[in-house]
Amino acid sequence: NAGVTQTPKFQVLKTGQSMTLQCAQDMNHNSMYWYRQDPGMGLRLIYYSASEGTTDKGEVPNGYNVSRLNKREFSLRLESAAPSQTSVYFCASSGVSNTEAFFGQGTRLTVV
Amino acid sequence: QKEVEQNSGPLSVPEGAIASLNCTYSDRGSQSFFWYRQYSGKSPELIMSIYSNGDKEDGRFTAQLNKASQYVSLLIRDSQPSDSATYLCAVIPWYSSASKIIFGSGTRLSIRP
Repeated sequence: NAGVTQTPKFQVLKTGQSMTLQCAQDMNHNSMYWYRQDPGMGLRLIYYSASEGTTDKGEVPNGYNVSRLNKREFSLRLESAAPSQTSVYFCASSGVSNTEAFFGQGTRLTVV
Repeated sequence: QKEVEQNSGPLSVPEGAIASLNCTYSDRGSQSFFWYRQYSGKSPELIMSIYSNGDKEDGRFTAQLNKASQYVSLLIRDSQPSDSATYLCAVIPWYSSASKIIFGSGTRLSIRP
């Protein structure tokens, strides 16, 4: 039972490089989310998608883009990485409206 | 004002005692409330969800919701060293038609032997 799978688990980027974080869920969930977690800041919502074909900004969307490729997959793209984007990124999904989210194992990203 | 607020701690509780974790939220119409536990270096895992005023018990855990006071709490009875973790409160605001889940910054709990 895979649940929510994120790739890669670790990544080091140089300032200005671009990359895409991948996320896939096998629970047939409608909603998917991208969060970042910095020390002492809890989880901050970057973007979310209520259903295939829709995406909305969260609390901290600047510097990121997302794509809801299909119901299973939701990717997060950094076009020009900055040191301020050094963080742990979590993808999550939820099923029926207003129910809890299930998380992937996280991606630890360092921008130097 | 942050949408979901928690005391960052650390909260230190002796083994076997009751740990009480608190959370307040700003959107009065919020309908869905969650408590997650997160061990260091791991992803958050759901402990409790609560949707109605009052108490909800699951084993050693009790979630309490008071919508009039915009307050949700988590009680952990008979605290064990394995309960040492960061506890995250999460809320779905009423204005969100898309299950937008907002988290607090978390409370670090330490259970001392």
